[in-house]
Order: sequence, then structure tokens, then C-alpha cells
Amino acid sequence: QQQVKQSPQSLIVQKGGIPIINCAYENTAFDYFPWYQQFPGKGPALLIAIRPDVSEKKEGRFTISFNKSAKQFSLHIMDSQPGDSATYFCAAHSAPYGTALIFGKGTTLSVSS
Amino acid sequence: DVKVTQSSRYLVKRTGEKVFLECVQDMDHENMFWYRQDPGLGLRLIYFSYDVKMKEKGDIPEGYSVSREKKERFSLILESASTNQTSMYLCASSSGGEPEAFFGQGTRLTVV
Repeated sequence: QQQVKQSPQSLIVQKGGIPIINCAYENTAFDYFPWYQQFPGKGPALLIAIRPDVSEKKEGRFTISFNKSAKQFSLHIMDSQPGDSATYFCAAHSAPYGTALIFGKGTTLSVSS
Repeated sequence: DVKVTQSSRYLVKRTGEKVFLECVQDMDHENMFWYRQDPGLGLRLIYFSYDVKMKEKGDIPEGYSVSREKKERFSLILESASTNQTSMYLCASSSGGEPEAFFGQGTRLTVV
């Protein structure tokens, strides 16, 4: 119930491609869905986040699509660049559970030039 | 800018040692967290604290304890380090009522 399932585990795309990372959840009490980006040797940093009252959110080249009925959300990276090569984590937050984010297992993205 | 600072980037400890990992945040955040990151397993919550002297177990608290004597500082303690505690440890903080977490740079701990 408290899990967030993330796929794929790794992804390789060419520069300019549109990688898509998917996450699924079961707990309908989740009320906040962020994506974090982590570069080697660094801590994760918030990339973009969405709440369940909207179906899509865009920030620059990054878009979250949210499907409340299917309990799924995904990250799309438009016009991907080698600098986007990183590990991406989806997460979910549920106020009744406490204040801790629950993370997916991560996707390692490699964008080749 | 929010800053979460972990005292060490790299640590090497011997099996059975008591290990202290320190974390300090400078944004007056109520909530602080310790996660462990392992390849293929993502970030797993060890402990979190929503106030001074308060703590809650996360998903994998066994073999760990925590201390929060001051609002800005949250310590993770490995009572008797074991090789299966070799990992990347990440500290994070967030303000009360806001779910966004800010992470430190991580401490890579190796237990030999």
C-alpha cells in the first residue's frame, strides 16, 4: 500500500529523444507526487511536482502526466540533452502517514550525443 | 537557498564500531529525515523526526538509532556497524506541513 513502483530501471535515449519514466501507486491518500533528479556524487534535488487535482504540469522541458483513476504518473523529458543524464526518482507523500516521502527505486537515464 | 549539510562525504569504519553521521540544516525546518540509498533499491527511510526530541521509525530502522537535541541537527547512529550497512546515507529536511524535502550531498559509508 505504501509502495511506489517505478519503471524502467534504466533508459538510454539519443539526444533530442523523449524519455518517459513511469510510476504507479496504490494508496489513494497520497496527495503530492514529486520527481527528484540526482547526479553522481550529489543528493537528490526536486525537479517538478504535481498534486492530484491536475492532470499535467510542465516546467521547461519536463512534464508530469498524472492519471488519478489509474493511479499512475509519469515524467516526460522533451528534447533530451546529455546533461539530463542522471538518476530520476518518483515519490509520493501522504499526510496521514506522516511527513516522509516514499520513493520509487529510481531510473538511470543516459542521453547519448 | 536551503542548505542541508552532512558532516562527511566519505567514511570508512570497522565492523562493530559505533558510527555517528551528522546532519545540519539552516532553514529552521521542523522535519528531518535519514534515508539509505542502495543500487536498485532506491531511497529507503530509516528514521524521521518532526520536532526536537521526537522521532519515528521508518521502513528499515533495525541497527540504527537517531538523536535530535536541537532543531537544526539530526544525527544517525549505527550502534555496532556491520558490513551490510555499507551504503550511501542521505539526510533531508522539510518545513512543517510542506512535503518538499531538501537533501544533503550524502555520506558514503563503507564498513570493513
